[in-house]
Amino acid sequence: AQSVAQPEDQVNVAEGNPLTVKCTYSVSGNPYLFWYVQYPNRGLQFLLKYITGDNLVKGSYGFEAEFNKSQTSFHLKKPSALVSDSALYFCAVRDILTGNSGYALNFGKGTSLLVTP
Amino acid sequence: DSGVTQTPKHLITATGQRVTLRCSPRSGDLSVYWYQQSLDQGLQFLIQYYNGEERAKGNILERFSAQQFPDLHSELNLSSLELGDSALYFCASSVVGGKGTDTQYFGPGTRLTVL
Repeated sequence: AQSVAQPEDQVNVAEGNPLTVKCTYSVSGNPYLFWYVQYPNRGLQFLLKYITGDNLVKGSYGFEAEFNKSQTSFHLKKPSALVSDSALYFCAVRDILTGNSGYALNFGKGTSLLVTP
Repeated sequence: DSGVTQTPKHLITATGQRVTLRCSPRSGDLSVYWYQQSLDQGLQFLIQYYNGEERAKGNILERFSAQQFPDLHSELNLSSLELGDSALYFCASSVVGGKGTDTQYFGPGTRLTVL
Protein backbone atom coordinates (compact mmCIF):
# COMPACT_ATOMS: atom_id res chain seq x y z
CA ALA A 1 0.00 0.00 0.00
CA GLN A 2 1.04 3.58 -0.58
CA SER A 3 1.99 5.43 2.58
CA VAL A 4 3.33 8.71 3.90
CA ALA A 5 5.24 9.51 7.03
CA GLN A 6 5.35 12.74 8.99
CA PRO A 7 8.43 12.47 11.18
CA GLU A 8 7.60 15.38 13.48
CA ASP A 9 4.73 15.38 15.94
CA GLN A 10 5.10 19.11 16.51
CA VAL A 11 6.80 22.03 14.84
CA ASN A 12 7.31 25.33 16.62
CA VAL A 13 8.13 28.51 14.73
CA ALA A 14 8.07 32.21 15.50
CA GLU A 15 5.69 34.45 13.60
CA GLY A 16 7.33 35.91 10.52
CA ASN A 17 9.83 33.08 10.19
CA PRO A 18 9.69 30.48 7.41
CA LEU A 19 8.07 27.18 8.27
CA THR A 20 8.52 23.66 6.98
CA VAL A 21 6.37 20.63 7.77
CA LYS A 22 7.98 17.42 6.58
CA CYS A 23 6.46 14.49 4.71
CA THR A 24 8.07 11.49 3.06
CA TYR A 25 6.29 8.97 0.91
CA SER A 26 6.53 5.34 -0.07
CA VAL A 27 4.70 4.38 -3.25
CA SER A 28 4.85 2.09 -6.20
CA GLY A 29 4.34 4.02 -9.37
CA ASN A 30 3.63 7.73 -9.59
CA PRO A 31 2.76 9.41 -6.31
CA TYR A 32 -0.30 11.59 -6.00
CA LEU A 33 0.30 13.66 -2.87
CA PHE A 34 -1.90 16.02 -0.89
CA TRP A 35 -1.67 18.40 2.07
CA TYR A 36 -4.62 19.18 4.32
CA VAL A 37 -4.96 21.37 7.41
CA GLN A 38 -7.27 20.79 10.36
CA TYR A 39 -8.20 23.58 12.73
CA PRO A 40 -9.66 22.70 16.16
CA ASN A 41 -13.18 21.29 15.92
CA ARG A 42 -13.17 21.70 12.14
CA GLY A 43 -12.94 19.43 9.17
CA LEU A 44 -9.93 19.02 6.95
CA GLN A 45 -9.25 21.84 4.52
CA PHE A 46 -7.43 21.15 1.27
CA LEU A 47 -4.19 23.10 0.81
CA LEU A 48 -2.52 21.72 -2.30
CA LYS A 49 -1.71 18.62 -4.30
CA TYR A 50 0.98 17.20 -6.54
CA ILE A 51 -0.12 15.07 -9.45
CA THR A 52 2.50 15.69 -12.09
CA GLY A 53 4.52 18.52 -13.58
CA ASP A 54 6.28 21.30 -11.72
CA ASN A 55 8.00 20.13 -8.54
CA LEU A 56 6.99 23.31 -6.69
CA VAL A 57 3.29 23.35 -6.03
CA LYS A 58 1.54 26.49 -4.82
CA GLY A 59 -1.58 26.24 -2.73
CA SER A 60 -3.97 28.11 -0.49
CA TYR A 61 -3.10 30.68 2.19
CA GLY A 62 0.44 31.21 0.88
CA PHE A 63 1.52 27.60 1.35
CA GLU A 64 3.62 25.70 -1.13
CA ALA A 65 5.16 22.26 -1.27
CA GLU A 66 8.22 20.88 -2.96
CA PHE A 67 8.10 17.44 -4.53
CA ASN A 68 11.51 15.73 -4.44
CA LYS A 69 11.60 12.38 -6.18
CA SER A 70 15.15 11.46 -5.21
CA GLN A 71 14.44 12.06 -1.53
CA THR A 72 10.83 10.79 -1.76
CA SER A 73 9.69 13.89 0.06
CA PHE A 74 6.87 16.39 -0.21
CA HIS A 75 7.54 19.06 2.41
CA LEU A 76 5.07 21.84 3.07
CA LYS A 77 6.50 25.33 3.29
CA LYS A 78 5.53 28.92 3.89
CA PRO A 79 7.92 31.87 3.67
CA SER A 80 6.46 33.79 6.61
CA ALA A 81 4.39 32.07 9.30
CA LEU A 82 1.31 33.61 10.90
CA VAL A 83 -0.10 32.86 14.34
CA SER A 84 -3.31 31.86 12.56
CA ASP A 85 -1.40 29.07 10.77
CA SER A 86 -1.30 27.16 14.05
CA ALA A 87 -3.17 23.92 13.34
CA LEU A 88 -2.77 20.22 12.59
CA TYR A 89 -1.31 19.44 9.18
CA PHE A 90 -1.79 16.18 7.34
CA CYS A 91 0.10 14.79 4.39
CA ALA A 92 -1.76 12.19 2.31
CA VAL A 93 -1.14 9.90 -0.64
CA ARG A 94 -3.55 8.32 -3.06
CA ASP A 95 -3.88 4.60 -2.47
CA ILE A 96 -5.20 2.48 -5.28
CA LEU A 97 -7.49 -0.25 -4.03
CA THR A 98 -8.04 -3.43 -5.96
CA GLY A 99 -11.47 -4.46 -7.05
CA ASN A 100 -13.76 -1.74 -8.18
CA SER A 101 -11.31 0.96 -9.38
CA GLY A 102 -11.82 3.11 -6.36
CA TYR A 103 -9.20 4.86 -4.36
CA ALA A 104 -8.60 6.25 -0.91
CA LEU A 105 -6.33 8.75 0.73
CA ASN A 106 -3.81 7.36 3.18
CA PHE A 107 -2.92 10.00 5.73
CA GLY A 108 0.13 10.57 7.84
CA LYS A 109 -0.36 10.88 11.59
CA GLY A 110 -0.30 14.64 11.41
CA THR A 111 2.04 17.39 12.56
CA SER A 112 0.93 20.04 15.01
CA LEU A 113 2.21 23.46 14.01
CA LEU A 114 2.49 26.12 16.67
CA VAL A 115 3.34 29.65 15.58
CA THR A 116 4.20 31.95 18.47
CA PRO A 117 3.94 35.75 18.37
CA ASP B 1 -16.79 26.15 3.95
CA SER B 2 -16.12 23.14 1.71
CA GLY B 3 -19.73 22.71 0.61
CA VAL B 4 -19.93 19.23 2.17
CA THR B 5 -22.49 19.02 4.95
CA GLN B 6 -22.74 16.44 7.70
CA THR B 7 -25.39 15.83 10.32
CA PRO B 8 -25.54 15.57 13.20
CA LYS B 9 -22.56 17.48 14.49
CA HIS B 10 -22.45 15.54 17.73
CA LEU B 11 -23.91 12.20 18.70
CA ILE B 12 -23.88 10.61 22.14
CA THR B 13 -25.19 7.09 22.51
CA ALA B 14 -24.76 3.90 24.51
CA THR B 15 -22.96 0.67 23.76
CA GLY B 16 -24.96 -1.75 21.68
CA GLN B 17 -26.96 0.96 19.96
CA ARG B 18 -27.19 1.84 16.26
CA VAL B 19 -26.71 5.29 14.73
CA THR B 20 -26.87 6.84 11.29
CA LEU B 21 -24.59 9.61 10.09
CA ARG B 22 -25.61 11.66 7.10
CA CYS B 23 -23.57 13.43 4.44
CA SER B 24 -24.47 15.68 1.54
CA PRO B 25 -21.70 16.13 -1.02
CA ARG B 26 -20.77 19.31 -2.82
CA SER B 27 -23.01 20.20 -5.70
CA GLY B 28 -21.86 18.27 -8.77
CA ASP B 29 -19.70 15.77 -6.91
CA LEU B 30 -20.49 12.12 -7.62
CA SER B 31 -18.11 10.41 -5.21
CA VAL B 32 -18.51 10.25 -1.46
CA TYR B 33 -15.91 8.93 0.97
CA TRP B 34 -16.12 8.13 4.67
CA TYR B 35 -13.18 8.39 7.07
CA GLN B 36 -12.78 7.76 10.77
CA GLN B 37 -10.44 9.86 12.90
CA SER B 38 -9.45 8.57 16.33
CA LEU B 39 -6.55 9.31 18.64
CA ASP B 40 -5.07 5.83 18.42
CA GLN B 41 -5.74 5.00 14.75
CA GLY B 42 -5.43 8.44 13.19
CA LEU B 43 -7.36 9.12 9.98
CA GLN B 44 -8.55 5.93 8.33
CA PHE B 45 -10.46 5.42 5.12
CA LEU B 46 -13.66 3.44 5.50
CA ILE B 47 -15.51 3.33 2.21
CA GLN B 48 -16.12 5.11 -1.11
CA TYR B 49 -19.28 5.39 -3.18
CA TYR B 50 -19.55 6.67 -6.70
CA ASN B 51 -22.93 7.57 -8.17
CA GLY B 52 -24.72 5.15 -5.92
CA GLU B 53 -22.33 2.22 -6.19
CA GLU B 54 -19.68 1.05 -3.79
CA ARG B 55 -16.24 1.66 -5.29
CA ALA B 56 -13.66 0.99 -2.61
CA LYS B 57 -13.53 -0.45 0.85
CA GLY B 58 -10.99 0.17 3.54
CA ASN B 59 -10.78 -1.00 7.13
CA ILE B 60 -14.50 -0.84 7.66
CA LEU B 61 -15.93 -3.14 10.31
CA GLU B 62 -18.72 -5.55 9.43
CA ARG B 63 -20.89 -3.72 11.95
CA PHE B 64 -20.62 -0.62 9.77
CA SER B 65 -22.38 -0.12 6.47
CA ALA B 66 -22.99 2.74 4.10
CA GLN B 67 -25.05 3.64 1.08
CA GLN B 68 -25.38 6.46 -1.41
CA PHE B 69 -28.84 7.46 -2.53
CA PRO B 70 -30.07 8.66 -5.95
CA ASP B 71 -29.81 12.28 -4.83
CA LEU B 72 -26.14 11.46 -4.02
CA HIS B 73 -26.34 11.99 -0.29
CA SER B 74 -24.80 9.22 1.75
CA GLU B 75 -25.43 7.59 5.09
CA LEU B 76 -23.05 5.67 7.31
CA ASN B 77 -24.74 3.20 9.62
CA LEU B 78 -22.93 2.04 12.73
CA SER B 79 -24.46 -0.79 14.72
CA SER B 80 -23.72 -2.74 17.90
CA LEU B 81 -21.64 0.19 19.00
CA GLU B 82 -18.64 -0.29 21.22
CA LEU B 83 -16.67 2.19 23.28
CA GLY B 84 -13.87 2.01 20.73
CA ASP B 85 -16.14 3.35 18.02
CA SER B 86 -16.02 6.77 19.63
CA ALA B 87 -14.35 8.96 17.03
CA LEU B 88 -14.78 11.78 14.58
CA TYR B 89 -16.36 10.59 11.34
CA PHE B 90 -15.69 12.59 8.22
CA CYS B 91 -17.39 12.56 4.89
CA ALA B 92 -15.59 13.85 1.81
CA SER B 93 -16.67 14.28 -1.77
CA SER B 94 -15.00 14.67 -5.13
CA VAL B 95 -16.13 15.17 -8.68
CA VAL B 96 -15.42 11.69 -9.98
CA GLY B 97 -12.84 9.73 -8.03
CA GLY B 98 -11.93 7.25 -10.69
CA LYS B 99 -8.28 8.15 -11.07
CA GLY B 100 -7.51 9.60 -7.71
CA THR B 101 -6.30 12.90 -9.04
CA ASP B 102 -9.33 14.95 -8.12
CA THR B 103 -9.41 16.65 -4.75
CA GLN B 104 -11.47 15.32 -1.88
CA TYR B 105 -13.30 18.04 0.03
CA PHE B 106 -14.14 17.25 3.62
CA GLY B 107 -17.17 18.03 5.69
CA PRO B 108 -17.00 19.30 9.29
CA GLY B 109 -17.41 15.81 10.72
CA THR B 110 -19.70 14.07 13.19
CA ARG B 111 -18.29 13.47 16.64
CA LEU B 112 -19.59 10.17 17.99
CA THR B 113 -19.32 9.41 21.68
CA VAL B 114 -20.26 5.93 22.84
CA LEU B 115 -20.85 5.64 26.59
